[in-house]
Amino acid sequence: AQSVTQPDIHITVSEGASLELRCNYSYGATPYLFWYVQSPGQGLQLLLKYFSGDTLVQGIKGFEAEFKRSQSSFNLRKPSVHWSDAAEYFCAVGASYNTDKLIFGTGTRLQVFP
Amino acid sequence: DAGITQSPRHKVTETGTPVTLRCHQTENHRYMYWYRQDPGHGLRLIHYSYGVKDTDKGEVSDGYSVSRSKTEDFLLTLESATSSQTSVYFCAISESREGTDTQYFGPGTRLTVL
Repeated sequence: AQSVTQPDIHITVSEGASLELRCNYSYGATPYLFWYVQSPGQGLQLLLKYFSGDTLVQGIKGFEAEFKRSQSSFNLRKPSVHWSDAAEYFCAVGASYNTDKLIFGTGTRLQVFP
Repeated sequence: DAGITQSPRHKVTETGTPVTLRCHQTENHRYMYWYRQDPGHGLRLIHYSYGVKDTDKGEVSDGYSVSRSKTEDFLLTLESATSSQTSVYFCAISESREGTDTQYFGPGTRLTVL
């Protein structure tokens, strides 16, 4: 069965610092991988997704993620964090054949200090 | 932003009462989903719909029913609410069932069952 692990429940960084949020997945075939962001009181917004091809994926708001099959990871990165990036981030893994098999991680809450 | 609204946005109810949450979309997408979000669990799929009057169960469907009489509306009903159903409920939509497709999320409904 597919699963997603986000090892860090809460991360705190200073504004301007680099960021890396970890995501590990378990899936028997080639996974479809997603990162969503949830601002306080809001719904989830898609940051980026990976299906195939280039393992480094660019997303919105200056985020990128790298798929590493050997490590079963899909970590999210940003070179310089802004205060507005404070939010909760969810990694999700899906099956190629249907969207109702989308499994979410438990989320990482990002706090940004000025 | 995808045209998804949820109503009500907040609701407090008592154990044993029926509750209906509404999701409305203006995108004419075929697939609609109901998730619940709980701390430590991320998002979990309750039910989904693949067309008018076509629905199926998700991971945590016990105690919930759904209906879809029109493309644009997907209702989630708690026949007899329990305290364990206190949660934030999100509706999502997607154009297709392909794993490559993106699910777009509504703003959520915070439900408290006393």
